[in-house]
Amino acid sequence: DQQVKQNSPSLSVQEGRISILNCDYTNSMFDYFLWYKKYPAEGPTFLISISSIKDKNEDGRFTVFLNKSAKHLSLHIVPSQPGDSAVYFCAASAMGGTSYGKLTFGQGTILTVHP
Amino acid sequence: DADVTQTPRNRITKTGKRIMLECSQTKGHDRMYWYRQDPGLGLRLIYYSFDVKDINKGEISDGYSVSRQAQAKFSLSLESAIPNQTALYFCATSDPDQKLFFGSGTQLSVL
Repeated sequence: DQQVKQNSPSLSVQEGRISILNCDYTNSMFDYFLWYKKYPAEGPTFLISISSIKDKNEDGRFTVFLNKSAKHLSLHIVPSQPGDSAVYFCAASAMGGTSYGKLTFGQGTILTVHP
Repeated sequence: DADVTQTPRNRITKTGKRIMLECSQTKGHDRMYWYRQDPGLGLRLIYYSFDVKDINKGEISDGYSVSRQAQAKFSLSLESAIPNQTALYFCATSDPDQKLFFGSGTQLSVL
């Protein structure tokens, strides 16, 4: 049972435009969400996070939006740059209880930004 | 130098062989994890350890074992490798804010 889903395996965007990557989750206990970026031959690196007490978090060109009622989050990259081309993973965690410290990842979305 | 170091980077082995993947970290974190990445499935948790005396199974622990030799070292073993264990394996540590820091990965192929 995939508790965190990224339904778009790939996304292609023109340089300078907005990239929107989507993520859905089913576990209502999840209250902390993270996005990771992965380049080929490297491990994933942390990009941005959001807790369930917020509905938006911004860091430079990257903004994450959380819609708790829809169990949906999205990552916006504006403007997109060719160096943003990578695999993006959404991850979720429950801050309390036995799930603390364990992240559940989505399948990943391959973003390609064309010059 | 990398904060989380995995060895080897690549490994080809045969069905039935025992192999060990090693991980060491210099971040000083207590928590360490082993994940595997498969196309279309994302990253799945195999085992995790919150301190030297703590070992916990993740969602796909069957066929794997781990050893936490020290705060800085966490190794993953496949006692008898099988072809569906062919995957990209990642070791990670986490800080108290649950941010994971990953190694560069070990590509394992079981023939």
